[in-house]
This record gives sequence, structure tokens and C-alpha cells, in this order.
Amino acid sequence: DQQVKQNSPSLSVQEGRISILNCDYTNSMFDYFLWYKKYPAEGPTFLISISSIKDKNEDGRFTVFLNKSAKHLSLHIVPSQPGDSAVYFCAARRTSYDKVIFGPGTSLSVIP
Amino acid sequence: GAGVSQSPSNKVTEKGKDVELRCDPISGHTALYWYRQSLGQGLEFLIYFQGNSAPDKSGLPSDRFSAERTGGSVSTLTIQRTQQEDSAVYLCASSLARSDTQYFGPGTRLTVL
Repeated sequence: DQQVKQNSPSLSVQEGRISILNCDYTNSMFDYFLWYKKYPAEGPTFLISISSIKDKNEDGRFTVFLNKSAKHLSLHIVPSQPGDSAVYFCAARRTSYDKVIFGPGTSLSVIP
Repeated sequence: GAGVSQSPSNKVTEKGKDVELRCDPISGHTALYWYRQSLGQGLEFLIYFQGNSAPDKSGLPSDRFSAERTGGSVSTLTIQRTQQEDSAVYLCASSLARSDTQYFGPGTRLTVL
């Protein structure tokens, strides 16, 4: 049973536009959420996170929104750049000392 | 500074053979994790080390899989009697402590023929 879902395997966006990557989770005990970015032949790198006590966290072009009642989070990239083309993994954990559960990833292509 | 390194980067083996995958974490990171990414799947947790002990090995898929960590540093993931379904990218990550950001290595792509 997949606890973290990313229902869009891929997404294409024009350069300069907004990219919105979605993530749904099933475990209401999750209290911390992360996004990782992965280029081919490299390991994932941490991008941004959000605690369940917040509903928004912003870091430059990247903003993560959390809707706890809907068990949904999204990553917004504005403006999108070709270098943002990568696989984005949504992840979640219950407590600081619990394992991180990753979603299957969404492949983003930003078209110049 | 040096990141997490893994070796080999690629490994092709025949069904039934044993393989060893190595992970060198970032110096000073006490927590170390192994994950597996099969084609089209997310990152599947395998095992977590705190120092040299493994308090969480709940993700190891079968008793053919084992891992050890020595000196609080290097870790080896061993797969015995490999099967075709073991084909995947095996990723290692480390962090200062379990609650901290994980830093991933580039992975080892294992292909079992």
C-alpha cells in the first residue's frame, strides 16, 4: 500500500511558466514532508521541506503548499527553467525518528 | 567537500551469484540508509544504520539481503543468490542524525541477467 502518491508520472511545462507537482498521502500521522530532486545518474538532492504546523514554505523559486485536511501537498516552481528538468520525489515521515517514505516521483520537463 | 560515494556505479551479474555494493557516507554522519529504486517505482527503504547497528532493517525484502557497517563509516549491502527481480538502482544516503536531511550517493545500478 503506497502511503505517498504522485499520480502524475510526468509533466511538461514551458520555460518561464509555473510548474505544479502534486503529492497525496494516506497516513494522517505524517508530520513532516520533503521534496527531493533527481537528475539522471545522480542521487536525489534535498530541495525543500515543510512541517505539518505550516501550510506554506517558500525558498526562492520553490514553494511547497500543504493541505492537511486533504492530505495533499504541492510544489510550485516559478518561473520554471530548463535546468529544473528532473525527477521530483515527494516524501513524508511521521516523527523525527521514523523512516522517510518516498513517492514514485514525477518527471518534469521544462521546454525552452 | 566529499559527498556520499558508492561503488561500483554499475554491476551486471548472473542470476544466482552474490554481489556486494559499497557505500562511503559523508564523514561524521552517524546515520546511513540504503534504498532501492526499481524501474518506475519510488525509493524503497531497505535498512537504516545508526553507527554500526541497524535498528531498522524492516525494508530488507528477503533473507538474501544483508548489510553491515563498520567503524561507523563504510557500509556494504550484500545480495546473495541474486534474482532478476533484484535488478534496480541501489541508493545509499547519510545524515548527521536520523532527523536531519539525507544526502544521497549516485547509486549502483544492478542488472541481474
